[in-house]
Amino acid sequence: QITLKESGPTLVKPTQTLTLTCTFSGFSLSTSGVGVGWIRQAPGKALEWLTLIYWNDDKRYIPSLRSRLTINKDTSKNQLVLTMTNMDPVDTATYYCAHRCRYCSGGSLDYWGQGTLVTVSS
Amino acid sequence: QSALTQPPSASGSPGQSVTISCTGTSSDVGGYNYVSWYQQHPGKAPKLMIYEVTKRPSGVPDRFSGSKSGNTASLTVSGLQAEDEADYYCSSYAGSNTLGVFGGGTKLTVL
Repeated sequence: QITLKESGPTLVKPTQTLTLTCTFSGFSLSTSGVGVGWIRQAPGKALEWLTLIYWNDDKRYIPSLRSRLTINKDTSKNQLVLTMTNMDPVDTATYYCAHRCRYCSGGSLDYWGQGTLVTVSS
Repeated sequence: QSALTQPPSASGSPGQSVTISCTGTSSDVGGYNYVSWYQQHPGKAPKLMIYEVTKRPSGVPDRFSGSKSGNTASLTVSGLQAEDEADYYCSSYAGSNTLGVFGGGTKLTVL
């Protein structure tokens, strides 16, 4: 059974760096074809892709936030780490990590974490 | 990459059918048969309901169906039930070097 859970600070100050961890089970990020991504959702707004990392360390980033985002994996710990620099109040959102469906073509996300709400405020 | 266009709201009575549209471009929806639909209840994480335009993951009722014509994909919910009241998001693949794109979401109300 695949599960994912996000963890990290619930409150960060403007200009600070956000670090979120996604701890997962039921799969390995060293297995061919596996990918895990980060998606966020501002309050009352739509889902927004942030980044995705594959088993082979190939990474994708949303172009508009590329300079602020870093995604890394620790396969020994079954963890994914998202770093987002220079946080701003507009970055207030629920941040989700999600597993890329391996039997689906086209990048559907079949398992999601519960999400973690991050508020950016001084 | 621009978000896919969905109507902000849709509604139907129990037992009825409702269809939600998702319009993109030839670079995403129209270019690939890789449209997904997600259901999200308030305060919950999204749940995959449809992938590859028409396919349902195990456990998703067959009341949910997907289709596509040109640059527009659609999700149809037949035999509406109270539990179907939720936000629905479409998503499309947009090429191997991209993350894909989500729609703006549609709030489905069961009257």
